[in-house]
Amino acid sequence: KAGVTQTPRYLIKTRGQQVTLSCSPISGHRSVSWYQQTPGQGLQFLFEYFSETQRNKGNFPGRFSGRQFSNSRSEMNVSTLELGDSALYLCASSPDRGSTEAFFGQGTRLTVV
Amino acid sequence: AQSVTQLGSHVSVSEGALVLLRCNYSSSVPPYLFWYVQYPNQGLQLLLKYTSAATLVKGINGFEAEFKKSETSFHLTKPSAHMSDAAEYFCAVSDRPGYALNFGKGTSLLVTP
Repeated sequence: KAGVTQTPRYLIKTRGQQVTLSCSPISGHRSVSWYQQTPGQGLQFLFEYFSETQRNKGNFPGRFSGRQFSNSRSEMNVSTLELGDSALYLCASSPDRGSTEAFFGQGTRLTVV
Repeated sequence: AQSVTQLGSHVSVSEGALVLLRCNYSSSVPPYLFWYVQYPNQGLQLLLKYTSAATLVKGINGFEAEFKKSETSFHLTKPSAHMSDAAEYFCAVSDRPGYALNFGKGTSLLVTP
């Protein structure tokens, strides 16, 4: 069974631009969560989607948004990029809403210059 | 909100020595606790989880952790360190299955020959 796939692995963007990151969960998994990892703030929860609905949202500005498609694939979008958005963005998938298992992808390394 | 504190941002052990990584949680309700490992440029891999079934939890790669309610701790141990154990370790807590994980700041484990 293929794991969680995140694309692209690396990305360089300029301040003010927007970016879209993609996450394909493990086949059959319906819950997808996103996390931001930075040296200063550590791992922080962004949002969680289940069956195309956002169920939980972390404490991030509205520039951060996401969505989930009917095939459970998810995308997150960051608009008006700031230098501080440079981070490793991790996606995790779970079989269902009540699962205690979260399987992480390798992440997308975003650098904002 | 649930939170965890990892004591020691860096831990160094000799190969073959005991590994002890400390994690204390803050929770008013029975928590769900996790230990994840992250290798350089990789995502997170679940080592083990506590979901109230048993206080001593065995995980992958010879790691185990003991849930101690009286001490609000969930320390990670391994009897004999291997060079391949060198990585970043994260303790995490969730108040409900499938909900957002709150991560500790992480502990970097160095294993010396």
